[in-house]
Amino acid sequence: DTAVSQTPKYLVTQMGNDKSIKCEQNLGHDTMYWYKQDSKKFLKIMFSYNNKELIINETVPNRFSPKSPDKAHLNLHINSLELGDSAVYFCASSHNRVKGYTFGSGTRLTVV
Amino acid sequence: GENVEQHPSTLSVQEGDSAVIKCTYSDSASNYFPWYKQELGKGPQLIIDIRSNVGEKKDQRIAVTLNKTAKHFSLHITETQPEDSAVYFCAASMGAAGNKLTFGGGTRVLVKP
Repeated sequence: DTAVSQTPKYLVTQMGNDKSIKCEQNLGHDTMYWYKQDSKKFLKIMFSYNNKELIINETVPNRFSPKSPDKAHLNLHINSLELGDSAVYFCASSHNRVKGYTFGSGTRLTVV
Repeated sequence: GENVEQHPSTLSVQEGDSAVIKCTYSDSASNYFPWYKQELGKGPQLIIDIRSNVGEKKDQRIAVTLNKTAKHFSLHITETQPEDSAVYFCAASMGAAGNKLTFGGGTRVLVKP
């Protein structure tokens, strides 16, 4: 009965590879997000989707491409991974009328 | 865009004492201010929030205050317990399309038994 689930939890990969992170929410929320948390714990928004439509794209390199097949899913594909992409990536969701987010448990990406 | 600053970055308190974390925001259009608790290896979890039409809100040992004029808000934890040890984040939102939350830098709270 996990509310926001993301897979995988850990991802170790070499520079230059392409990888995807999947996210699903079963809360019936309208909006989904991807946030990046760096080594200093700073949380920064990357993307926001509302009912499958891209709403926010925060100057993220175009190597990052989100895809939302339906409002319950928001996946993140990353091309040509770089060392600086190493971080914890959090998926979250919210209802339009209730602003609090529900976060997933995170995906720790390590690029070697 | 919105900028949220949070202080202190680390806070060590004795069990039973109170802890206070302060945040300031830059955009007077922000109208929603949540607080999140992040335990090791987990995602942030909403613990309390306040909207701009309210000055104070309390939930058991946790309270949040908001001063719109000064553009700052604070989290107060009373009677701290070891399980309160975590990283706490404040955030602000203007409620615009996409409901973007801008987070503060986080406060690592350690409650010593």
